[in-house]
Amino acid sequence: QSVLTQPPSVSGAPGQRVTISCTGSSSNIGADYDVHWYQQLPGTAPKLLIYKNNNRPSGVPDRFSGSKSGTSASLAITGLQTEDEADYFCQSYDNSLTVGVFGGGTKLTVL
Amino acid sequence: QLQLQESGPGLVKPSETLSLTCTVSGDSISSNYYYWGWIRQPPGRGLDWIGSIYHSGSTYYNPSVRSRVTISVDTSNNQFSLRLSSVTAADTAMYYCARVNYYDSRGYYHDHWGLGTLVTVSS
Repeated sequence: QSVLTQPPSVSGAPGQRVTISCTGSSSNIGADYDVHWYQQLPGTAPKLLIYKNNNRPSGVPDRFSGSKSGTSASLAITGLQTEDEADYFCQSYDNSLTVGVFGGGTKLTVL
Repeated sequence: QLQLQESGPGLVKPSETLSLTCTVSGDSISSNYYYWGWIRQPPGRGLDWIGSIYHSGSTYYNPSVRSRVTISVDTSNNQFSLRLSSVTAADTAMYYCARVNYYDSRGYYHDHWGLGTLVTVSS
């Protein structure tokens, strides 16, 4: 059971927009800790996708965007492409557990 | 270009100690602002943060493994290491090393990752 809750799977057709939610609590996202997102392509290591809620590292397309509100955060992907098929993880900090925490991950399928 | 590479045994016996090393190239492990960390991923599951270290030796550990884990740094060889004692089958996982950006009190993120190394705990 992960501290941050993500849907196990989402799907969309090429060109569509999908969102992935990350729900936390008052000891992590709700305590004003930032949320970061990682993309893990099949058989590879995770890669930083979004940092500090809504910032993209150099090289990440602007089709990827992040937002945060209250005790939740979201990752949006527009103009879906087949190469976006991957697992996506959110990450924040929890001041009750005093540890960095990850969501359980969401598998994106591009139909 | 920053690269991290994990190395160590792929098979460890139950009750023994898991030891991994991460070699950093393209950046000095003594850089200010960055910690260096370990994250693991059991097969088919999510990510678990293990801990991190600064070049001064300052460490943060996940309370769930604190009694069994030691992370150390070797600045002369630009490496840092993980030791996890008394391992069980539950410690079987892909182990990743990563550079950690602790930017301020609002948290931290992992901006560069190694390729990972699979460690299996089995007799």
